[in-house]
Amino acid sequence: GAVVSQHPSWVICKSGTSVKIECRSLDFQATTMFWYRQFPKQSLMLMATSNEGSKATYEQGVEKDKFLINHASLTLSTLTVTSAHPEDSSFYICSASASGGATGTQYFGPGTRLTVL
Amino acid sequence: AQSVTQLGSHVSVSEGALVLLRCNYSSSVPPYLFWYVQYPNQGLQLLLKYTSAATLVKGINGFEAEFKKSETSFHLTKPSAHMSDAAEYFCAVSEPGGYQKVTFGTGTKLQVIP
Repeated sequence: GAVVSQHPSWVICKSGTSVKIECRSLDFQATTMFWYRQFPKQSLMLMATSNEGSKATYEQGVEKDKFLINHASLTLSTLTVTSAHPEDSSFYICSASASGGATGTQYFGPGTRLTVL
Repeated sequence: AQSVTQLGSHVSVSEGALVLLRCNYSSSVPPYLFWYVQYPNQGLQLLLKYTSAATLVKGINGFEAEFKKSETSFHLTKPSAHMSDAAEYFCAVSEPGGYQKVTFGTGTKLQVIP
């Protein structure tokens, strides 16, 4: 149980284009989803927290107009990197917390490797 | 504010030897604590979690961790290392009360030597 998928697993795009990454909870309802960014050989940096049906809460220093997050349903959240640039190249990981999950346990997707040329 | 410190960014053990990965936390309230494992180019997999029940927590793949309040520690152990245990391990902390933010440590890369 508690499986989270991400699509695509990797993407290469040209500078200036937009890229959408999907995060789905496959066997549970996720009231809250989280988006992280991981640089090589570093820990996870929380970018934003999204609750179904409401606006995402962004961490300090994360541009909300550049990283658009939509959490339209209890099983789907999307992250759109707008006007991507090479410095946006990174490993993006989403996680989901089950509805009523007060223990804070997050279940992680497999990640999406974004390369901007 | 909550934080996690993982001592040792790299740990090497021989196959069959004891694995000990250290984690110390800081939290203003009794915390929830987690250990996650990450294999190359993959997401994180939950190994085990402490949520204020038994202080010795058993997880998957033979790992366990003990919550020691007096030492503010949550070290991860496994009696006998296997080659498949080679991966990056992250300790994490959150504070109870709903969907609180989880703070991750910087990670410890475990190398298993045959």
